[in-house]
Amino acid sequence: DTAVSQTPKYLVTQMGNDKSIKCEQNLGHDTMYWYKQDSKKFLKIMFSYNNKELIINETVPNRFSPKSPDKAHLNLHINSLELGDSAVYFCASSQEKRSERDTGELFFGEGSRLTVL
Amino acid sequence: DAKTTQPNSMESNEEEPVHLPCNHSTISGTDYIHWYRQLPSQGPEYVIHGLTSNVNNRMASLAIAEDRKSSTLILHRATLRDAAVYYCILRGDMEYGNKLVFGAGTILRVKS
Repeated sequence: DTAVSQTPKYLVTQMGNDKSIKCEQNLGHDTMYWYKQDSKKFLKIMFSYNNKELIINETVPNRFSPKSPDKAHLNLHINSLELGDSAVYFCASSQEKRSERDTGELFFGEGSRLTVL
Repeated sequence: DAKTTQPNSMESNEEEPVHLPCNHSTISGTDYIHWYRQLPSQGPEYVIHGLTSNVNNRMASLAIAEDRKSSTLILHRATLRDAAVYYCILRGDMEYGNKLVFGAGTILRVKS
């Protein structure tokens, strides 16, 4: 069973289209994230949700809209796609640290490679 | 966000130990030192973390300098599967609002 699963794994689309990437985690975690990894391989956080509530919103164009229907899901919808949106998008989840023994580690999905033509 | 400095790349021979350094001179007293790695075509995965004392787990060891301004990730016997980008990250006390900020990392190449 995959802990953090993203779909689709690959997405090729035209400029101007609207697309969504879905993410589900079966770890029972409270917090989920979206990261973007561009062609230069830098990983940048985009959003974070805790129990369906947005808690981190980095400087991301408002064409990107995350949606968390429940704490196990965090989907990313992108409107009016641009060439610069081409990247690998990673979903992740973590459990809020409650004791010294908790690592608070993030579990990442395998990524969704978006190519905008 | 407190910054870390890592070498761009390192090379190791298979079956030999690897010491991956990280400088974090502006670390604050509540920052934990986290290490993640990213294998080719995969998402990052947690390796280890620590605050002040050295730490060991099944994947690696983390040696933290006494002044906490630097740390070293130690892979005791490198395998080909350890070839990855290794990220050293500082993270505040792990409330949900504390994000992981990734730098450029160190590309580790392992030769057979």
